[in-house]
Amino acid sequence: QKEVEQDPGPLSVPEGAIVSLNCTYSNSAFQYFMWYRQYSRKGPELLMYTYSSGNKEDGRFTAQVDKSSKYISLFIRDSQPSDSATYLCAMSEGGGATNKLIFGTGTLLAVQP
Amino acid sequence: NAGVTQTPKFQVLKTGQSMTLQCAQDMNHNSMYWYRQDPGMGLRLIYYSASEGTTDKGEVPNGYNVSRLNKREFSLRLESAAPSQTSVYFCATAELGGGNTIYFGEGSWLTVV
Repeated sequence: QKEVEQDPGPLSVPEGAIVSLNCTYSNSAFQYFMWYRQYSRKGPELLMYTYSSGNKEDGRFTAQVDKSSKYISLFIRDSQPSDSATYLCAMSEGGGATNKLIFGTGTLLAVQP
Repeated sequence: NAGVTQTPKFQVLKTGQSMTLQCAQDMNHNSMYWYRQDPGMGLRLIYYSASEGTTDKGEVPNGYNVSRLNKREFSLRLESAAPSQTSVYFCATAELGGGNTIYFGEGSWLTVV
């Protein structure tokens, strides 16, 4: 079993829909949680970063962490065609450079105009 | 501001050939990383350098070597390429103690035939 599980999709939604992307994990020591967006043929770019449990909002994006359920989510409101990309969750135990990030395999999202 | 620059972007190698992937960053970050990304496997850490002068193995180091040339540059070498090393390679950087907010380059597509 992988440490981080993520549904690969693809997930197809109409423009304006609310999108929910999720990851589950098995390591209870994870404290730092991130979401990356990766466009085709590009490198991942950091979208959201959360420490421990709780919610964080940034514009149309909301990240949620539920450590008791070992479950994290990314919500996208009013989705746009430009949101079409692969979304990767990532997490680590500590905040230092030697604390390795563990990535999910990514969920491919397509927002239809 | 170029961020993280990788060269070459595309390369085809024959089995047994050697090559070096170059990475340079202008973000003044201490830590640098090399990942590979494969379908269904996600991003996996090959090697990392927490700071200038140090390197350490990641999850999948076999068949690779690295050199942290200076604070800006971190190279990845394949001494004898194998078809299993066909992948997309990403260089990344991070600030020490930055909660592992990692910034990626654009990627290098490598095919070993």
